[in-house]
Amino acid sequence: AQSVAQPEDQVNVAEGNPLTVKCTYSVSGNPYLFWYVQYPNRGLQFLLKYITGDNLVKGSYGFEAEFNKSQTSFHLKKPSALVSDSALYFCAVRDPTGAGSYQLTFGKGTKLSVIP
Amino acid sequence: GAGVSQTPSNKVTEKGKYVELRCDPISGHTALYWYRQSLGQGPEFLIYFQGTGAADDSGLPNDRFFAVRPEGSVSTLKIQRTERGDSAVYLCASSLSANTGELFFGEGSRLTVL
Repeated sequence: AQSVAQPEDQVNVAEGNPLTVKCTYSVSGNPYLFWYVQYPNRGLQFLLKYITGDNLVKGSYGFEAEFNKSQTSFHLKKPSALVSDSALYFCAVRDPTGAGSYQLTFGKGTKLSVIP
Repeated sequence: GAGVSQTPSNKVTEKGKYVELRCDPISGHTALYWYRQSLGQGPEFLIYFQGTGAADDSGLPNDRFFAVRPEGSVSTLKIQRTERGDSAVYLCASSLSANTGELFFGEGSRLTVL
């Protein structure tokens, strides 16, 4: 079975500082990894994904994430946080092989607050 | 609009009643998914359609839940004999490619069972 852990319920960061939102995963095969963001009263929005290739992937709004196979991690990062980045962030994993291969398994989410 | 549309946005019903939630995916997206999000949790997979057929319904919690997509576009999630534990936000998503494509989510239907 696949699973995702987001160890921090909340992350606070000052505007202009770098931010990191942590994610670790467990999957039997090679994972497909995703980050989504949820703004209040809005649907989930896709940020970025890792399927294969370069371990560092860049996505929307200046976000990036690094796939680390040995640490089974896929942390979300941004060099300089904006107040408008404040939202709920979800990491998700998919095992593309075997039963349930089109199911995304989401973490519980991390609330990011960027302080002016 | 160009995005995934879900109706109703809010539904309040009484325990034991029947409920239908509708999803209109992005035009041309053949893959459609239903997820359920409870308070303080991430979305949980319910069912995946490729075209008209349910390719994976392993996430449906029990036989009170059923979903259809008769023409390969609009989908309806049906819940019979609702229970208080069914209260959640039901999310619909679609994608152009089920293989590697990212999911585009609607804003959800919030179901409250009294």
